[in-house]
Amino acid sequence: NAGVTQTPKFRILKIGQSMTLQCTQDMNHNYMYWYRQDPGMGLKLIYYSVGAGITDKGEVPNGYNVSRSTTEDFPLRLELAAPSQTSVYFCASSQGLAGGNEQFFGPGTRLTVL
Amino acid sequence: DQQVKQNSPSLSVQEGRISILNCDYTNSMFDYFLWYKKYPAEGPTFLISISSIKDKNEDGRFTVFLNKSAKHLSLHIVPSQPGDSAVYFCAASGSATSYDKVIFGPGTSLSVIP
Repeated sequence: NAGVTQTPKFRILKIGQSMTLQCTQDMNHNYMYWYRQDPGMGLKLIYYSVGAGITDKGEVPNGYNVSRSTTEDFPLRLELAAPSQTSVYFCASSQGLAGGNEQFFGPGTRLTVL
Repeated sequence: DQQVKQNSPSLSVQEGRISILNCDYTNSMFDYFLWYKKYPAEGPTFLISISSIKDKNEDGRFTVFLNKSAKHLSLHIVPSQPGDSAVYFCAASGSATSYDKVIFGPGTSLSVIP
C-alpha cells in the first residue's frame, strides 16, 4: 500500500513552459486535493475533487487546471509557468470530507520557475 | 486575511518538558479542528483532531484543548521527545468554508532539544 505518490520530486521550469504534476493514490479515496505551500505560509488549496469526473476550485486556482478521470489519479496541469508558481506542491486524499477525516499527503513536488 | 493563525513561527523546548503550540481562528463557524505534523521533505501527516462539541481530546502524549469563546486551541505534547521536532499545522473546517475543505494555519516549527 503506497498511499499517495507524486512525481516528479523536483522540477525546474522556464517561464512560459508547461508541465503536469502527477498524483496517484491506492486507498480508493473519493476525495483528492492539490495544495501549494510557500515559505512561511500554510497550505493553500488549489483544486479539489470529490470523485471521478468532479472537480472544483480552491483558494488559489489561477494558472492551474486539473482533471479526474479515475478514482486513483488527479493530475495538476500548469500552463504558461510564472515565477509566482515557484512553490512546493502537495497532493492529498481522504476517505470522506476533509473537515471530518484524516487527509493523507504525498511527499510533495518542489517546483522552481526561472 | 488569515482565518487560522499560528502566531509563533518557532518554539524550542527541552526534551521531557511540555510543548504547547497555539492556534487562533477568526470565524466562529469553524467547528472541526485538526493538527498535522510535517517533517522536512515529507508531506504532512495527521496528528489529532477535535470537534467543537468537545473541549479536550487526548491521544497518548498529545492533547488538544479547544476554547470556543476565545476562538483558541492548543496542542500539548507531554513529554516532548526529539522525534517531535517538526512543523505543526493547525487546520479548521466547518460551515464557515464547507466541510469538504480545510483552512491551514502557517505552521509552528518545534525544536525539541536533547
